[in-house]
Amino acid sequence: KAGVTQTPRYLIKTRGQQVTLSCSPISGHRSVSWYQQTPGQGLQFLFEYFSETQRNKGNFPGRFSGRQFSNSRSEMNVSTLELGDSALYLCASSAGPSPDTIYFGEGSWLTVV
Amino acid sequence: AQSVTQPDIHITVSEGASLELRCNYSYGATPYLFWYVQSPGQGLQLLLKYFSGDTLVQGIKGFEAEFKRSQSSFNLRKPSVHWSDAAEYFCAVGAATGGFKTIFGAGTRLFVKA
Repeated sequence: KAGVTQTPRYLIKTRGQQVTLSCSPISGHRSVSWYQQTPGQGLQFLFEYFSETQRNKGNFPGRFSGRQFSNSRSEMNVSTLELGDSALYLCASSAGPSPDTIYFGEGSWLTVV
Repeated sequence: AQSVTQPDIHITVSEGASLELRCNYSYGATPYLFWYVQSPGQGLQLLLKYFSGDTLVQGIKGFEAEFKRSQSSFNLRKPSVHWSDAAEYFCAVGAATGGFKTIFGAGTRLFVKA
């Protein structure tokens, strides 16, 4: 069974631009979570989706948004990029809807210059 | 609110020595507990998990962890460390609040001396 797939793996953006990251969960998984990982802040929870509905949201500004499609694939978007948004963005999936193990993709490395 | 504390930012052990990584959590209900490992440039790989039952759980790569409710702890152990174990280790708690989210500790970086 294929794992969680994230695209793109690496990208460089300029301050003020926006970015969209994509995540394909493990086949059959209906819950997708997003995390931001930085050296200083560790892994910070962004949001969690199940069956196209956002069920949980972390403490991030409104510039960070996401969505989930009917095939469980998910995207997250960051608008008006700031230098501090440079991070590894990790997507994880689980079978859901109940609490369960989450399985991670390799992440998308975003550098904002 | 749920939280996870990993008191040690980094630990250095000699190859062949035993290892214990500490983890304390804060959660009002029965916790779902996890340990993940992250090698450089990689995503996070699940080592083991505790949902219920036996409080000593076995994981991959020879790791084990013990859940102690009275101490709110879930420490990770390995009897003999290999150089390939050098990585960052994250303890996490799963919280069912509305939806479900997994909260991670800040991580412990393990260095292995030859």
